[in-house]
Amino acid sequence: GAVVSQHPSWVICKSGTSVKIECRSLDFQATTMFWYRQFPKQSLMLMATSNEGSKATYEQGVEKDKFLINHASLTLSTLTVTSAHPEDSSFYICSAQGLAVRYNEQFFGPGTRLTVL
Amino acid sequence: GDSVTQMEGPVTLSEEAFLTINCTYTATGYPSLFWYVQYPGEGLQLLLKATKADDKGSNKGFEATYRKETTSFHLEKGSVQVSDSAVYFCALVYNQGGKLIFGQGTELSVKP
Repeated sequence: GAVVSQHPSWVICKSGTSVKIECRSLDFQATTMFWYRQFPKQSLMLMATSNEGSKATYEQGVEKDKFLINHASLTLSTLTVTSAHPEDSSFYICSAQGLAVRYNEQFFGPGTRLTVL
Repeated sequence: GDSVTQMEGPVTLSEEAFLTINCTYTATGYPSLFWYVQYPGEGLQLLLKATKADDKGSNKGFEATYRKETTSFHLEKGSVQVSDSAVYFCALVYNQGGKLIFGQGTELSVKP
C-alpha cells in the first residue's frame, strides 16, 4: 500500500513552454503533498507544501508564479513549470502524506526528469 | 537552523564488507530521524526510522541508533550486497506531518 505515482517520468520541452507534472496517491488519500527538486548528486530541496483544497506554501526562494502547484483532490497534485528555461532542468519528486496511512511518513513518487532545451 | 550532515561519497565497498554511513544532525528540539534509499532512476524509499533517543531502527539488515548525546544516526550493515548500491539520505522531521530536512546523500557502490 501507500503508492505514489508521477507522470510523466521524463519530459523534454523547448525553452519558453510550460510543463505539467502530475503526482497521484494511488491507494490512499493524501491530505498533504510535497514537491521537491533534486539536482544531480545533490540532496532534495523542498519547493512547496500543498494541502488539499488550499494554496500551496512555498519555500523561500521558490518563485510561486513560475512553479504553480494545484492540489485539487485528495489523490492528485500538479506542478506546472511555466515558461521553462534550461536552468529549470532537474529531477522533480513529489511525496504524499495521509492521516490514515502511517501518519508522519511521506511516501515518495518515482520522480520526473525535466530537460529544457 | 536545523540541518543534517552526511559523510561524503561515493563509498565503494566489496560485497560482504561492513558498511557505516555517518549522519549527524543539528536540531533545537527532539526530531524523528530517518534513512531513505534511492535506487538508480527511482524515487526515495523509507529504509528505517527512529522517533526518540536510544531507539534503534532496522530493516533489510540495515540499522541505525538515535544517539542524542552525539546527535548522530549512523547507518550500518554487517554485510553489503551488490543490490545495496544506491544513494542513502539521512533526514529529520520535527512534528508529525512536518517538513523533512535531508542530508546531502551518500552514494554507495558495492562491487562483486
